Amino acid sequence: DTAVSQTPKYLVTQMGNDKSIKCEQNLGHDTMYWYKQDSKKFLKIMFSYNNKELIINETVPNRFSPKSPDKAHLNLHINSLELGDSAVYFCASSQEFLPMSSYNEQFFGPGTRLTVL
Amino acid sequence: AQTVTQSQPEMSVQEAETVTLSCTYDTSESDYYLFWYKQPPSRQMILVIRQEAYKQQNATENRFSVNFQKAAKSFSLKISDSQLGDAAMYFCAYRGSQGNLIFGKGTKLSVKP
Repeated sequence: DTAVSQTPKYLVTQMGNDKSIKCEQNLGHDTMYWYKQDSKKFLKIMFSYNNKELIINETVPNRFSPKSPDKAHLNLHINSLELGDSAVYFCASSQEFLPMSSYNEQFFGPGTRLTVL
Repeated sequence: AQTVTQSQPEMSVQEAETVTLSCTYDTSESDYYLFWYKQPPSRQMILVIRQEAYKQQNATENRFSVNFQKAAKSFSLKISDSQLGDAAMYFCAYRGSQGNLIFGKGTKLSVKP
């Protein structure tokens, strides 16, 4: 059973299109995250949600809009895709948000490789 | 702002030998967690080991151990008896009061048979 799943695993699209990446976790966790891994393998936080509420929003263009319909799902919608959006996007979840909690290990999904042509 | 630095973009080790991957970090916080993640070609992020900053004892997980030097802000990973399956990108990561992980740029480890 997959703990954190993402769909699709691969996404190839044209510049200017709008696309969504879905993330679901079946761990009963309260907190979910989106990370971006660029072509040089650098991983950086984009967003974090706790119980469907946005708690971290890094300096990400407003073309990126996360949506959390319930605490098991955190989807990422990207408008007007640009070449620079090509990357691997990772969803992750943790039991709770409290950073100093021992129960705060983050579990990662398999990643979605987005290629913008 | 916290930063994590991995100064070795690539490392190589002979099978069955020991290798140490370096990581330093910068923070003004006193409580935090440190992690090493492994990313094989499958790109799945796998937690290798973690260390709570308030614990002086270095964490160990089978063949993986860390050397945590809080005053020096250093957190190196030692892999003993290296195996072919250890070949991967290794990321050092910091988690502080913000809750999210802050990653280093990674070290690509190759294992030679």
